[in-house]
Amino acid sequence: AQSVAQPEDQVNVAEGNPLTVKCTYSVSGNPYLFWYVQYPNRGLQFLLKYITGDNLVKGSYGFEAEFNKSQTSFHLKKPSALVSDSALYFCAVRVTDSGAGSYQLTFGKGTKLSVIP
Amino acid sequence: NAGVMQNPRHLVRRRGQEARLRCSPMKGHSHVYWYRQLPEEGLKFMVYLQKENIIDESGMPKERFSAEFPKEGPSILRIQQVVRGDSAAYFCASSPILGGQETQYFGPGTRLLVL
Repeated sequence: AQSVAQPEDQVNVAEGNPLTVKCTYSVSGNPYLFWYVQYPNRGLQFLLKYITGDNLVKGSYGFEAEFNKSQTSFHLKKPSALVSDSALYFCAVRVTDSGAGSYQLTFGKGTKLSVIP
Repeated sequence: NAGVMQNPRHLVRRRGQEARLRCSPMKGHSHVYWYRQLPEEGLKFMVYLQKENIIDESGMPKERFSAEFPKEGPSILRIQQVVRGDSAAYFCASSPILGGQETQYFGPGTRLLVL
């Protein structure tokens, strides 16, 4: 079974500082990895994904994430945080192999990011 | 290009009533997924459908819950005889083709409250 862990329920960062939201995963096989952001009472917005190739993935709104196979991690990063980045961030994993369950995204519990002015 | 549409956005039901949640995928998308988000939790997969076919319903509760995606019209998630534990946000996502690389795009969700 696949699983995702987001070890921090909340991350606080000052505006202008770099931010990191952590994610580790567990799958049997190779993963596809995703980050989504959720604003209050809204749906999930896609930020970026890792499929294959370069371990550093760049996405929307200046976010990037680094895939680390040995550490089974896919941390989300941004060089300079904005107040408008304050939201709930979800990491998700999907297995690359076909078969039962391969269509599902498995989500972490989410990390609430607060950017302090 | 309109995104994934869900309605209603908010739904209040009394215990024992039926809830019907609708989802229209993005234009050109033929794959629909339903997820449930309980308070303070991440999203949990419920069911994956293509037009007129249920492909994977491994996340659906065995009773009271059903889903369909007819040839014409939106996908429907139906909850019969709702109970308070069904109160949650229900999200629909769609993708153009099947494949792990394909991104699932999410709708705004339906927030169900059972009184």
